[in-house]
Amino acid sequence: QQPVQSPQAVILREGEDAVINCSSSKALYSVHWYRQKHGEAPVFLMILLKGGEQKGHEKISASFNEKKQQSSLYLTASQLSYSGTYFCGTDRSTGGSYIPTFGRGTSLIVHP
Amino acid sequence: DSGVTQTPKHLITATGQRVTLRCSPRSGDLSVYWYQQSLDQGLQFLIQYYNGEERAKGNILERFSAQQFPDLHSELNLSSLELGDSALYFCASSVTASYNEQFFGPGTRLTVL
Repeated sequence: QQPVQSPQAVILREGEDAVINCSSSKALYSVHWYRQKHGEAPVFLMILLKGGEQKGHEKISASFNEKKQQSSLYLTASQLSYSGTYFCGTDRSTGGSYIPTFGRGTSLIVHP
Repeated sequence: DSGVTQTPKHLITATGQRVTLRCSPRSGDLSVYWYQQSLDQGLQFLIQYYNGEERAKGNILERFSAQQFPDLHSELNLSSLELGDSALYFCASSVTASYNEQFFGPGTRLTVL
């Protein structure tokens, strides 16, 4: 039931692009993305609701394909500050409430 | 700074003991979530409270309990501690009960010896 993220790790040079994927075996109501730097708390990046909506946050954008139960996070022209672990989270509906479930994370390292 | 506070920052205790972790949500947020993060399990949802009432329950052990008080702060109680309970415990808050943007606190690192 935990969403599956790929790849597990990405190593980039500044200015390069990256794509992180998140897929679920269950129907999704929404997908949310967080970034966590080592020793710090996760920080919210964006949330996508069902409908194939694509959202952006500066040079970070994401898409959500409800039919395929997949989401992808796009990081363009990566900066050193993008380094960290990226988590996707999904909601599992149960008894009228939503259980947030997170993937294992994708480690992104950006080198100068 | 997310506006969510957690105390204490670090906690070291022995097996079999009981501890209480405290969380104060952002001003105006009614919903509080508790998570456990360990290297082998990732970020695991434990429990959610909304405006004082339990809203959703995840993989929370029976030895663990939580509550949200009238002033909206929340406490997570962990009892009969085991070595495997060593982890980072985060609380997060959001405005509503439905899943949306969550603001995470700095976490409490629990070490059980």
